Amino acid sequence: RKEVEQDPGPFNVPEGATVAFNCTYSNSASQSFFWYRQDCRKEPKLLMSVYSSGNEDGRFTAQLNRASQYISLLIRDSKLSDSATYLCVVAPLGTYKYIFGTGTRLKVLA
Amino acid sequence: DTEVTQTPKHLVMGMTNKKSLKCEQHMGHRAMYWYKQKAKKPPELMFVYSYEKLSINESVPSRFSPECPNSSLLNLHLHALQPEDSALYLCASSQANGGAEAFFGQGTRLTVV
Repeated sequence: RKEVEQDPGPFNVPEGATVAFNCTYSNSASQSFFWYRQDCRKEPKLLMSVYSSGNEDGRFTAQLNRASQYISLLIRDSKLSDSATYLCVVAPLGTYKYIFGTGTRLKVLA
Repeated sequence: DTEVTQTPKHLVMGMTNKKSLKCEQHMGHRAMYWYKQKAKKPPELMFVYSYEKLSINESVPSRFSPECPNSSLLNLHLHALQPEDSALYLCASSQANGGAEAFFGQGTRLTVV
């Protein structure tokens, strides 16, 4: 089983739609969780950290479920500019080994 | 300022060449990373420096040689690379408390011919 698993997609959604991605992780010692966004041939950019209490940033909401070992990202009112690959990243406590999921590709259609 | 700067942006090198990739950050981060990313794959960790000391080497071949001259700079020296080493090389930095948010540079797109 991979340490961090994501559905690779692609998710093709119309503008204005709500879309959700899940990511599961296998190491229960994991302590830090992030969503990164990566555009084609660009670097990963931090979208948001994921906290136990959940967090929201505009149209984006991230949640963590430690019992079931998954994190989620919800995007409301999708824009064309949201088209990208979304990478789930997990870091065990006290290490520098950020573990990347394979990414979920999102395409928002006009 | 959450900027990590990498140079060059593009590099083409022959298998007998020696070249270096450079990375700089001024966020006061004491952990710096090199990642390699192939097309349609996630980044793979190569090296981690913490407080200017090499703390992780993910069994990277010796033709890749990292160097951390000071807390703001990270280099990756390349020698005798193979065509399969062609990839996007990403530098990142973070606070040195393990599991902090990491910020990536724009990357160097390397082609080995």
